[in-house]
Amino acid sequence: DAGITQSPRYKITETGRQVTLMCHQTWSHSYMFWYRQDLGHGLRLIYYSAAADITDKGEVPDGYVVSRSKTENFPLTLESATRSQTSVYFCASSDSGTGGFSGANVLTFGAGSRLTVL
Amino acid sequence: GQNIDQPTEMTATEGAIVQINCTYQTSGFNGLFWYQQHAGEAPTFLSYNVLDGLEEKGRFSSFLSRSKGYSYLLLKELQMKDSASYLCAVMDSNYQLIWGAGTKLIIKP
Repeated sequence: DAGITQSPRYKITETGRQVTLMCHQTWSHSYMFWYRQDLGHGLRLIYYSAAADITDKGEVPDGYVVSRSKTENFPLTLESATRSQTSVYFCASSDSGTGGFSGANVLTFGAGSRLTVL
Repeated sequence: GQNIDQPTEMTATEGAIVQINCTYQTSGFNGLFWYQQHAGEAPTFLSYNVLDGLEEKGRFSSFLSRSKGYSYLLLKELQMKDSASYLCAVMDSNYQLIWGAGTKLIIKP
């Protein structure tokens, strides 16, 4: 199916465990993003990627690792989960991260992954 | 620091008009976005403003005043399906999106 898919949609884990959230997009968008969404906060950028093998930190990168070996995949790993990482995680993609608006800067989001760390 | 302010929650009646305000203080400005997010779902794009003025798109309109650091989203002829959170986001000088916490809009029959 075309679009951007995240898995798993729901995950419960324990403190200290490693967790990987998957994100796959079928549009060949160059940019991909990981956000977390918590009550009372705006979406906060964790990491983003401008292309395969190019990643950069966002606002809240600590405790997270990303990779992008292929354009279509952008997994997010929590190496040792903590309770403060309980959140809803959204992956998004876009044709461009910079430049004038041509519709290319619009983010398309996945359905989200709800992570609970006990 | 960079800041986006929106009301936390608003209530309106089906068929009426509602205006959701957004004020911002950011390092530079490269446009303002509005997204809609239904409960438990992903945000979806509604509108983009980079020049001052009103952009109309069906029942939804978005206004921008760059000198005042202010935008609003106007929803007309409200329908129950408009019950959602509305997220304001500003693209700063580094082309990073700064997000507000969102306004939860409750529509009553």
